[in-house]
Formats: sequence, C-alpha cells, structure tokens
Amino acid sequence: AQKVTQAQTEISVVEKEDVTLDCVYETRDTTYYLFWYKQPPSGELVFLIRRNSFDEQNEISGRYSWNFQKSTSSFNFTITASQVVDSAVYFCALKGDYKLSFGAGTTVTVRA
Amino acid sequence: SAVISQKPSRDICQRGTSLTIQCQVDSQVTMMFWYRQQPGQSLTLIATANQGSEATYESGFVIDKFPISRPNLTFSTLTVSNMSPEDSSIYLCSVEGLGSSYNEQFFGPGTRLTVL
Repeated sequence: AQKVTQAQTEISVVEKEDVTLDCVYETRDTTYYLFWYKQPPSGELVFLIRRNSFDEQNEISGRYSWNFQKSTSSFNFTITASQVVDSAVYFCALKGDYKLSFGAGTTVTVRA
Repeated sequence: SAVISQKPSRDICQRGTSLTIQCQVDSQVTMMFWYRQQPGQSLTLIATANQGSEATYESGFVIDKFPISRPNLTFSTLTVSNMSPEDSSIYLCSVEGLGSSYNEQFFGPGTRLTVL
C-alpha cells in the first residue's frame, strides 16, 4: 500500500513571500517516483516535477525548488517570491508499481 | 509532452442518463488511465484502460457503472452510466509512456460533469 499526506489544507500568503508545501509519503516499494502537480482554477492538471527514489538531489527550476529527503520520507516544494499566478491547488503524488496515488492537495492563495 | 484532448469539456446531465467521455492523444502511448475528482477532493484512479482488452478497475469502481474502451494506442472512452448527482465530478484522462518521459503521467484538460 502507498499513501501520500499533505497536512496543509490551505496556505495564504502575500505576493513575494516564500511558501513551502509539505509532502510525506509511505510506500513499501524500493523503487518509486514522486511528483508535484499544479491545478489552477481552470482545472487542468499541470505536471511540475518527477523525482525517482534513487535521486535525492534537490532541484531548482526558476522560482520553484524541491527538497527530497528519503530519511524522513518527505518531498517538499518551495515557491520563492510567490506571485498571484501561483494561486492554485498543488498535489503531491507517489507512483510505486503502477498506480499513481495523490495527496489531498494544498490550496495556495497568493494575495496582491 | 503529448497533447491530450477530452470531449466534452463539460456537460450537464439528467439523472438516469449516461455520458461517454472521449480522450484523444496526439501520439501512441503505452498506458492510459481514467481518474475522478469529486468537488474539492483529490484525484482517484477509476481504472487503467488496456488496449484490446478489458480495463482494470480499482476497488470501488465497476465495469457496469464505468465501461471503458481503448480500441487503439491513442484513444479511449469512459462512460458514466445511470448517472446520479453523486457522479458530479471532473473526469480526467491520463497517459504515460511517451518516449523519454517514461514514468511521467500527463493529464488531459478534464471533463466537468454536473448531474441534476
């Protein structure tokens, strides 16, 4: 069985603040993949990043960065200098054997 | 990434009727999936659409309620049968297995279904 927990239901920040989204996962698979997706108000699901279980290097892409710590089973996501366009629901997901399991999602609201 | 389209983008249906949702991908993919997202909720996998054979359903979902077809490697349909208001959700098609993006799943724009 696999499980993804996003403990933060909603986060509200003022523009230019940094925001960190927490993701904790459980799996018995030795090989697995972790993902972050963004779902803006329009509803489409936008792929942000994939990380495999053997690669613990942190990654930065523009204002986005991800911190993967296998020891604590966490894959946290930080948005630096947030903008109004970052307002969305963000989902963390885990893929083990074949099934992609999603966390409950964190709603981020960035106020101007 | 692939271009994934879904039809219809939204619909309002009467209870007891059925709706078929189409998913078209612009290139061949190995895996296609159907997800449901109920209002304010996360995504739940309904089934894996298998090309040329019966779909593989997750616990809580049955073929009679959600029949799925996948006649080739670029197209799939999901039917929501005998609808009730509880079926009001966003239904999303997802694909995996596009060249170097193996193990990455991309999603279609979704179909917003409202059942009255």
